Amino acid sequence: EVQLVESGGGLVQPGGSLRLSCAASGFTFSSYWMHWVRQAPGKGLVWVSRINSDGRSTTYADSVKGRFTISRDNAKNTLYLQMNSLRAEDTAVYYCVRDGRRDGSDMDVWGKGTTVTVSS
Amino acid sequence: DIQMTQSPSTLSASVGDRVTITCRASQSISSWLAWYQQKPGKAPKLLIYKASSLESGVPSRFSGSGSGTEFTLTISSLQPDDFATYYCQQYNSFSPNSFGQGTKLEIK
Repeated sequence: EVQLVESGGGLVQPGGSLRLSCAASGFTFSSYWMHWVRQAPGKGLVWVSRINSDGRSTTYADSVKGRFTISRDNAKNTLYLQMNSLRAEDTAVYYCVRDGRRDGSDMDVWGKGTTVTVSS
Repeated sequence: DIQMTQSPSTLSASVGDRVTITCRASQSISSWLAWYQQKPGKAPKLLIYKASSLESGVPSRFSGSGSGTEFTLTISSLQPDDFATYYCQQYNSFSPNSFGQGTKLEIK
């Protein structure tokens, strides 16, 4: 079964850091681009970042550029999101998502999400 | 960056109705558009990719069309399970991906 399981969410103070992890199983992780998407409580989906299959190409939303870093370990079938300088507006459920066409264009498998709360 | 605008924001319809949701891009994205369905408390589900290709397992009452800057998602005959929020999403290799703000489909 194709599965994505996020972990690492929690409560953090403004200005703090957090690293999210996403464990992939049931497919050849190293062949797929991956994304992070977030959703604040009661709000819409917001795309955060993408990474290509070998990890050499990354793209970020303007709202997180310079603060968040996406990375992957293909040997461990794991995707990461390092989040620094966190702000209250980063509070959201963070979804790890597989790219459907392996070209960055759409997202066919979603994890259940991990909740990040930024508050003092 | 490319902005995506969906209309309407809320749509009230009845079982059996044909409904259309529109998504407009701030610049041409060719056919690099996907549609998702999300139900409360659940992760989104991919319905349509590359503007008009139906994802495997998605009922054929869902269809997508358009290219360039204007796209539509059509549900030919609404079923009770279709009441949810729908999002469009664009891809451009030279800029970040982005979603529309969502369209909530409600029971009339």
